[in-house]
Amino acid sequence: QSVLTQPPSVSGAPGQRVTISCTGSSSNVGTSYGVHWYQQLPGTAPRLLIYSDNNRPSGVPDRFSGSKSGTSASLAITGLQAEDEADYYCQSYDSSLNGYVFGSGTEVTVL
Amino acid sequence: QLQLQESGLGLVKPSETLSLTCTVSGGSMTNYYWSWIRQPPGKGLEWIGYIYYNGNTNYNPSLKSRVTISVDTSKMQLSLKLNSVTAADTAVYYCARGGAPGVPATMNWFDPWGRGTLVNVSS
Repeated sequence: QSVLTQPPSVSGAPGQRVTISCTGSSSNVGTSYGVHWYQQLPGTAPRLLIYSDNNRPSGVPDRFSGSKSGTSASLAITGLQAEDEADYYCQSYDSSLNGYVFGSGTEVTVL
Repeated sequence: QLQLQESGLGLVKPSETLSLTCTVSGGSMTNYYWSWIRQPPGKGLEWIGYIYYNGNTNYNPSLKSRVTISVDTSKMQLSLKLNSVTAADTAVYYCARGGAPGVPATMNWFDPWGRGTLVNVSS
């Protein structure tokens, strides 16, 4: 069972906006450690999408954005495209476990 | 552009030791954290442990008794050894670089990742 909780799946039509939640606790998401997001296309390695809550690496479209409030974080995808069909994972550091933790993963489906 | 490539045996017998190497090219290992992460087939991601370029390590408590991560900066390689494996250790194993230079371990993210290598534990 993952320390960070994500919905198993979300879906949306092309062009719509979808959000993925990542719920943790005061020992991980609720700290200043930062929440990071990854996209994993089928059969490939994860790719960094968002780092430190709301920062996009170069090359990541601005359709992807991150936010955090309290012990929850969110990834938003606006203008959903077919190529966004993938699994998405959040990640942070946990002070109780003294290590990195991942969310359970969310499958995004474009209808 | 930094690239990471995992290598090692794809089939390991139960109770034996899993050994993998990650070769880094196109950049420096200095001032970075380097992690191993795994993903069982059809499941989510699990962090195994990290090593700083100077050799300092930190392991997932659930695996700590069986894991050893080492680094050889002269060869631009990091390695993973996981002993006493069982079928539950069957997974794709990834190596990844942590965050940016100078970022504390607690604030690190993983970028880039290697392509991963599948290790099957079976007799």
